[in-house]
Amino acid sequence: SQTIHQWPATLVQPVGSPLSLECTVEGTSNPNLYWYRQAAGRGLQLLFYSVGIGQISSEVPQNLSASRPQDRQFILSSKKLLLSDSGFYLCACSRGAAGELFFGEGSRLTVL
Amino acid sequence: QKEVEQNSGPLSVPEGAIASLNCTYSDRGSQSFFWYRQYSGKSPELIMFIYSNGDKEDGRFTAQLNKASQYVSLLIRDSQPSDSATYLCAVGISGGYNKLIFGAGTRLAVHP
Repeated sequence: SQTIHQWPATLVQPVGSPLSLECTVEGTSNPNLYWYRQAAGRGLQLLFYSVGIGQISSEVPQNLSASRPQDRQFILSSKKLLLSDSGFYLCACSRGAAGELFFGEGSRLTVL
Repeated sequence: QKEVEQNSGPLSVPEGAIASLNCTYSDRGSQSFFWYRQYSGKSPELIMFIYSNGDKEDGRFTAQLNKASQYVSLLIRDSQPSDSATYLCAVGISGGYNKLIFGAGTRLAVHP
């Protein structure tokens, strides 16, 4: 079965600092990968998805970017964080014929 | 703008009762519908999915879908305190890539 690893689990960053969140997937090849963000008390917002190495689609204009340097690695980055970037960042992989998403444990970001 | 709407709650039910959670969606082309459970501070876990109009049962959970009314619901029978969580409704976006749009969730509290 698939396993998704995310790190770091928690981080506190000052406004204007860079960000790098990493996600790796085990147990599958050529997965569709997704980055979602959940702001406090809000639903999940799709940020990026990728159907293959180097193929990234952005859903929401913002100061974040994503990259997929390897088949099972998905990275979320920012050059300069904003207060509004605070939230719970979730990496997900689609599996099964139903297309259901399976989530990693998440990375909780607080921007001060 | 494709949307998924849920009542934020909290929905409070006594232990052993039936909890009924509802969701409406705007994309008439959506074909797949999912319910996730999210405990506080944790990532979402898939409960079940449904494709076809009608009911689908899995243990104590029943998902109901009415595409004409663009309405999805989740019934939890014999509710337990361990069912206390936020329940997220997710809808597959027409157009592929298994992209899901999530509602903001309904918080369920089951009291002994």
